[in-house]
Amino acid sequence: DAKTTQPPSMDCAEGRAANLPCNHSTISGNEYVYWYRQIHSQGPQYIIHGLKNNETNEMASLIITEDRKSSTLILPHATLRDTAVYYCIVVETSGSRLTFGEGTQLTVNP
Amino acid sequence: DAGITQSPRHKVTETGTPVTLRCHQTENHRYMYWYRQDPGHGLRLIHYSYGVKDTDKGEVSDGYSVSRSKTEDFLLTLESATSSQTSVYFCAISHRTGNGEAFFGQGTRLTVV
Repeated sequence: DAKTTQPPSMDCAEGRAANLPCNHSTISGNEYVYWYRQIHSQGPQYIIHGLKNNETNEMASLIITEDRKSSTLILPHATLRDTAVYYCIVVETSGSRLTFGEGTQLTVNP
Repeated sequence: DAGITQSPRHKVTETGTPVTLRCHQTENHRYMYWYRQDPGHGLRLIHYSYGVKDTDKGEVSDGYSVSRSKTEDFLLTLESATSSQTSVYFCAISHRTGNGEAFFGQGTRLTVV
C-alpha cells in the first residue's frame, strides 16, 4: 500500500473551514484514499473516501488532485467537537490491510 | 453503531503472564483487525484476519498471536506479557476486500506491570 504523509498538527478557528492535506505521491491506480478521525481515546471513525473524483457527504468533502498524488479533507464549518486526530490512508481495491500513519492533530479554537 | 465489542475494556496484568483480548462482532463482516496505539503514535497494525482460520501479520506482530475460529470472534493473545505491550488495543471490522471503511471498537486499555 502507498504511504501517506500528513502534517503533525493544525489549528483552525471555530466556524471556519478546516483544510487537512495528505500526500500520497506513490499511490497506484487501484488504490482509494480514505479518511478517518479519532476523537480523544475513542476508536477511529470513518469519514469519507474517494478514488479520483471529489466526494462530499454530511461530514466533509474530499478533494483529490488530478494526478492523485495528494488530497485535502475539508470540514466546511469546523466546530470544537471536530478537534481530533485525522488519518489519511490508502487502500488497495484488492487488498485487505488497513495501515494507518501518525495522522494530523486538528485543534479547533473558540 | 456497528456491533463490535471488545473485552475486557481495562486490564492490569503482571509481566510474564498470558493475556487474551477478545473482539466480538455481530455484523458478519469478513475482515477483522487488531491495532495498538501508544501515546503520541498512530495506530499500528498487529494482526488481521480475512476469514475463519485465515490470519496474517501486521507491522508489529512480534509477541502477539491471534485466532479466529468463528466469524464473530477474533482473539489477540500475548503469550508472555511485557511492559512494552502496555498500550491501548483497538479491534476493527470491515466487510469486504478492498473496502477501507472499517468500524472500530472502543478499545482495551492494557497495563503490564
